Amino acid sequence: DTGVSQDPRHKITKRGQNVTFRCDPISEHNRLYWYRQTLGQGPEFLTYFQNEAQLEKSRLLSDRFSAERPKGSFSTLEIQRTEQGDSAMYLCASSFSLSDQPQHFGDGTRLSIL
Amino acid sequence: SQKIEQNSEALNIQEGKTATLTCNYTNYSPAYLQWYRQDPGRGPVFLLLIRENEKEKRKERLKVTFDTTLKQSLFHITASQPADSATYLCALGPSNTGKLIFGQGTTLQVKP
Repeated sequence: DTGVSQDPRHKITKRGQNVTFRCDPISEHNRLYWYRQTLGQGPEFLTYFQNEAQLEKSRLLSDRFSAERPKGSFSTLEIQRTEQGDSAMYLCASSFSLSDQPQHFGDGTRLSIL
Repeated sequence: SQKIEQNSEALNIQEGKTATLTCNYTNYSPAYLQWYRQDPGRGPVFLLLIRENEKEKRKERLKVTFDTTLKQSLFHITASQPADSATYLCALGPSNTGKLIFGQGTTLQVKP
């Protein structure tokens, strides 16, 4: 069973650096989501794709954040000029395109900003 | 604004008892509600989904209820086991997108 895969699992970087995370969804799924989770909180929605189209972005997604899903398969999330407040777990999930489908999550990328 | 509240304090129960977790929401009319389990350092794992026109769903030792009048869902684990110890998240979904809005989670500790 190839579930959702995220890379890297951990990323430590200095403030001001750019970072990029990758997500490989379950291959049959055409929806892909990005969430952010901080300690003691539930995941917060960032953005989602239907195939290669980015259909919704949260107000949490400042202009320093950009997400792509160029061929409708894997996705990347880039954060430019990282800030302390960007430290969090970044989770990717995928699902079939019907709205009430369960989302299958990867184990996330934990980002620590020094 | 939309608000989802789960028991903020950890729930500690004895093995074999039934655990009941609560999810309350305000200023929202979800089309469906999902429950997830999350272990430390891992992503959430889907457990159950219940739609707005369903009152109750069961899966093995798990049961979820959904009361759209009270704006509340209850999640039950019967015959709880230490392996059930984890954080449980409720998530609400709108009808037109797959975006989920999560509660903050409730940590369950089952003692042997």
